[in-house]
Amino acid sequence: DQQVKQNSPSLSVQEGRISILNCDYTNSMFDYFLWYKKYPAEGPTFLISISSIKDKNEDGRFTVFLNKSAKHLSLHIVPSQPGDSAVYFCAATDNNNDMRFGAGTRLTVKP
Amino acid sequence: DGGITQSPKYLFRKEGQNVTLSCEQNLNHDAMYWYRQDPGQGLRLIYYSQIVNDFQKGDIAEGYSVSREKKESFPLTVTSAQKNPTAFYLCASSRAGNTIYFGEGSWLTVV
Repeated sequence: DQQVKQNSPSLSVQEGRISILNCDYTNSMFDYFLWYKKYPAEGPTFLISISSIKDKNEDGRFTVFLNKSAKHLSLHIVPSQPGDSAVYFCAATDNNNDMRFGAGTRLTVKP
Repeated sequence: DGGITQSPKYLFRKEGQNVTLSCEQNLNHDAMYWYRQDPGQGLRLIYYSQIVNDFQKGDIAEGYSVSREKKESFPLTVTSAQKNPTAFYLCASSRAGNTIYFGEGSWLTVV
């Protein structure tokens, strides 16, 4: 039972344009959501997070939007840069701290 | 420097042998986690521990065992019962908040 889903395995965008990565979840108990970025053969690094009491959190070029009624969140990167090319994982947790991850979306930003 | 250290980085074992992956953190985090990543797949939770001497099974605990005798250490043993042990293993930790931080990962190859 996959509780966190990223239905797009890959995304390709042009440098300077917006990248939008999507994530859906099924467990209504999740109250905290995170995005991680991962390069090959490295551990994921934390990017940005959002609590369920908010619907938007912004950090520089990265913005995460949360739609609780739709159980959907998205990560916007604008403007996209070639260095943003990586696999992005969406994650969710409830107060038990057993964090669940989506399958990841491979973002390629073309110069 | 504070961080999460996994060792070894690369490990080869013969089929049927148990192998233990080490994970140490000096971040004073209460919770620790083990995830597995397979090619083209997301991160799947194997085991997690919220406090010393306590741990919980994740989604794919079969064939694995853990211990949490010290706050800083959360070793993972891949037993001979694990049918597909070849994978990239990631250890992580967090405070009793939500953001988790990952180690660099360990590549296990069983031949």
